Amino acid sequence: GAGVSQTPSNKVTEKGKYVELRCDPISGHTALYWYRQSLGQGPEFLIYFQGTGAADDSGLPNDRFFAVRPEGSVSTLKIQRTERGDSAVYLCASSLGGGGAFFGQGTRLTVV
Amino acid sequence: QKEVEQNSGPLSVPEGAIASLNCTYSDRGSQSFFWYRQYSGKSPELIMSIYSNGDKEDGRFTAQLNKASQYVSLLIRDSQPSDSATYLCAVIPGNKLVFGAGTILRVKS
Repeated sequence: GAGVSQTPSNKVTEKGKYVELRCDPISGHTALYWYRQSLGQGPEFLIYFQGTGAADDSGLPNDRFFAVRPEGSVSTLKIQRTERGDSAVYLCASSLGGGGAFFGQGTRLTVV
Repeated sequence: QKEVEQNSGPLSVPEGAIASLNCTYSDRGSQSFFWYRQYSGKSPELIMSIYSNGDKEDGRFTAQLNKASQYVSLLIRDSQPSDSATYLCAVIPGNKLVFGAGTILRVKS
């Protein structure tokens, strides 16, 4: 597609439930990033993929968070046993690697 | 020490003035530097990239890089009310893109 696409745009879930957030990057972009952003803060790095592999997952806050990119294109961020503190906007970005990254519109996750 | 540091602001400038936004980074080996603009409720938008020491100009925007001082800046000439937003500095120290907390810019008409 023309830009980075994230689905859903909004997700409300109950505490303890499992959620999946999807990111479809710009065609041909090998690098894909996931960030989390809370109000008044900059994007917080979660994980970076180069191709199919996670090149850096040092930002994942704990083992409830996991991300995959099985074919080097679409990526899914998975959160198990959601907590109210997981509520944030989750942003995905893609790039050709080394260059500036382009963001999707984000998924607003609310855990109630 | 944070990897990328910015003054949170807000920075207030009158319409038509020059807005100067600053950023410092901790990893001396960083090679790529970016400025993003983020309007309230929207995603960050890439506005400038700079990779070598000196100035890079694009329209009303000028990015400045000083690797010896580990310092990046963004100048916005002839500031307009539509420039009011949060400006995020981003750096690649190694292989991941890391952001500062952003500086809020308010341009008063």
